[in-house]
Amino acid sequence: GAGVSQSPSNKVTEKGKDVELRCDPISGHTALYWYRQSLGQGLEFLIYFQGNSAPDKSGLPSDRFSAERTGGSVSTLTIQRTQQEDSAVYLCASSYRDSTDTQYFGPGTRLTVL
Amino acid sequence: KNQVEQSPQSLIILEGKNCTLQCNYTVSPFSNLRWYKQDTGRGPVSLTIMTFSENTKSNGRYTATLDADTKQSSLHITASQLSDSASYICVVSVAAGNKLTFGGGTRVLVKP
Repeated sequence: GAGVSQSPSNKVTEKGKDVELRCDPISGHTALYWYRQSLGQGLEFLIYFQGNSAPDKSGLPSDRFSAERTGGSVSTLTIQRTQQEDSAVYLCASSYRDSTDTQYFGPGTRLTVL
Repeated sequence: KNQVEQSPQSLIILEGKNCTLQCNYTVSPFSNLRWYKQDTGRGPVSLTIMTFSENTKSNGRYTATLDADTKQSSLHITASQLSDSASYICVVSVAAGNKLTFGGGTRVLVKP
């Protein structure tokens, strides 16, 4: 079956521009996560959606970062006024119910801020 | 502070040899521990997941162990293959929470 998909696969933008990254989770998965992976670094938690509950935004590094999940399915991560330090691979994952279940990761979006 | 430390940071092994990766964590209260394999340019793929009561779990040539008393885990790769070249990430979940704490990973290179 289809896995987690993300788009675009690569995004190059200029400093100060806004970007939107999209994640399509596995159908039927109620939990969705966004992570960031800088070059050579471990994964950094950004935000977690679970069903209709209020999202856990505790990992968002600044108020320039926001995310939505519409209809309990597709999610969009938005970064406003991008900075060079935002350059990283942004990974989305989904799981059936919550973090006790196996997470399935998408291929990621590589963001480069010039 | 919840932390997950992995060692070594990287290693090179010859095809056919075995290797063991280490993971130490301070996450509390503990829920489960996972090992992921991440190929270059790809998202992580789950290898094993272990709860507090489990001390070993296998997935093909991968065997993970867990000592919840010492808060240590290991991932053993048997008879390595070139396709095992990847980063291996240890991830610990906090009980009754949704946040996973990721280790920095061990980069494994298998040479012919």
